[in-house]
Amino acid sequence: QVHLVQSGADVKEPGASVIVSCKASGYTFTSYFIHWVRQAPGQGLQWVAWLNPKSGVTKSAQDFQGRVNLTRDTATDTAYLQLARLTSDDTAIYYCARGWGLVARIDPWGQGTLVTVSS
Amino acid sequence: QTVLTQPPSASGTPGQRVTISCSGTNSNVGTTTVNWYQQLPGTAPRVVIYGINQRPSGVPDRFSASKSGTSASLAISGLQSEDEGDYYCAAWDNNLNGVVFGGGTRLTVL
Repeated sequence: QVHLVQSGADVKEPGASVIVSCKASGYTFTSYFIHWVRQAPGQGLQWVAWLNPKSGVTKSAQDFQGRVNLTRDTATDTAYLQLARLTSDDTAIYYCARGWGLVARIDPWGQGTLVTVSS
Repeated sequence: QTVLTQPPSASGTPGQRVTISCSGTNSNVGTTTVNWYQQLPGTAPRVVIYGINQRPSGVPDRFSASKSGTSASLAISGLQSEDEGDYYCAAWDNNLNGVVFGGGTRLTVL
């Protein structure tokens, strides 16, 4: 069974960076993309970026360019999202999810990681 | 920012059929498949329609989708209380080389 398990909730001060991990199991990690999507409190879904675990190629939404870094460890089937220069607007649940190539089919999703930015 | 346009809310009574619309452009809905996601309260989203009107295992055939030009829609027939939640459309955008979402539609079963 396919599972994506994310790291736990985190609290950061404005200006800091956060790293969220996403461990995949139940499928060949390098055969599917990993997407990151976030959801601010009471708001809708916002796509952040995708990672091709096989090649390491990444692409992020314009809102995050220059602040987001996606990496992976193929030895442990784990993907990482690093977001820098945090502001209160970055307070959200961050989801990782398996992507089926250059299409918008994203499933399954991880359980989500709440990142709170507060002084 | 939201690229695809959805109505903020929809409602129906048990047993009714409801539809949720999604409008985009030629760089996304007009040239790629539209996927639909259901998010029940307090849970992560899950895909209910992918590709051309395909349902993952476990999603009842009460869910169906269609597309015409730059508009798409999700239909839920035989509405049940368990269908209450938020629904999002999503499409690949060839200009952005990434995924774009709709703003979401909150479905209420009256």
